[in-house]
Amino acid sequence: DAKTTQPPSMDCAEGRAANLPCNHSTISGNEYVYWYRQIHSQGPQYIIHGLKNNETNEMASLIITEDRKSSTLILPHATLRDTAVYYCIVRPWTDKLIFGTGTRLQVFP
Amino acid sequence: EAGVAQSPRYKIIEKRQSVAFWCNPISGHATLYWYQQILGQGPKLLIQFQNNGVVDDSQLPKDRFSAERLKGVDSTLKIQPAKLEDSAVYLCASSSRLAGGPGGELFFGEGSRLTVL
Repeated sequence: DAKTTQPPSMDCAEGRAANLPCNHSTISGNEYVYWYRQIHSQGPQYIIHGLKNNETNEMASLIITEDRKSSTLILPHATLRDTAVYYCIVRPWTDKLIFGTGTRLQVFP
Repeated sequence: EAGVAQSPRYKIIEKRQSVAFWCNPISGHATLYWYQQILGQGPKLLIQFQNNGVVDDSQLPKDRFSAERLKGVDSTLKIQPAKLEDSAVYLCASSSRLAGGPGGELFFGEGSRLTVL
């Protein structure tokens, strides 16, 4: 079973920041937080991951709370192409990813 | 770098027939996964290979599903006989990371959409 809780859907205006929350209150000390997204009719795409510190790459920023029980994925300037389902995944100490149902982000003009 | 290739993209069969899906991972990736994604749900892991050995097949319905990865490269997933509830997208993914360690990303193919009538 997925170990994360995400809102089922969110809206965001194009050009604005999209902030996607994730709750993972039972995360273990050696588990990472991963974010993937899935655009319609495509396979999931890796976005970012982190352990304790905040992380940033060319796609997004990941903010993890100090107690690690929740995190937020930030898309700084959302575009229409960012419309997708976003999955927050806590990765166990094995290789596999266990997906939940994610957050469906709709970016509107 | 070429991505994960899957075929066929679409397949329609009748129940009780058989079907096979093929996956070619990214060159050099030791770990390969098959996921099943039913409409409206997140992907569900069916089986994980490391090279040509099975790491995890706990979620694979072994009475009708089988998978192999010959020579540690390409993989096939077979369903025989198919049931209506097998209608789904079958996703293949690969990773350069070996099982048991942190970090690393999975690269997914576009999937094979199966419709069972």
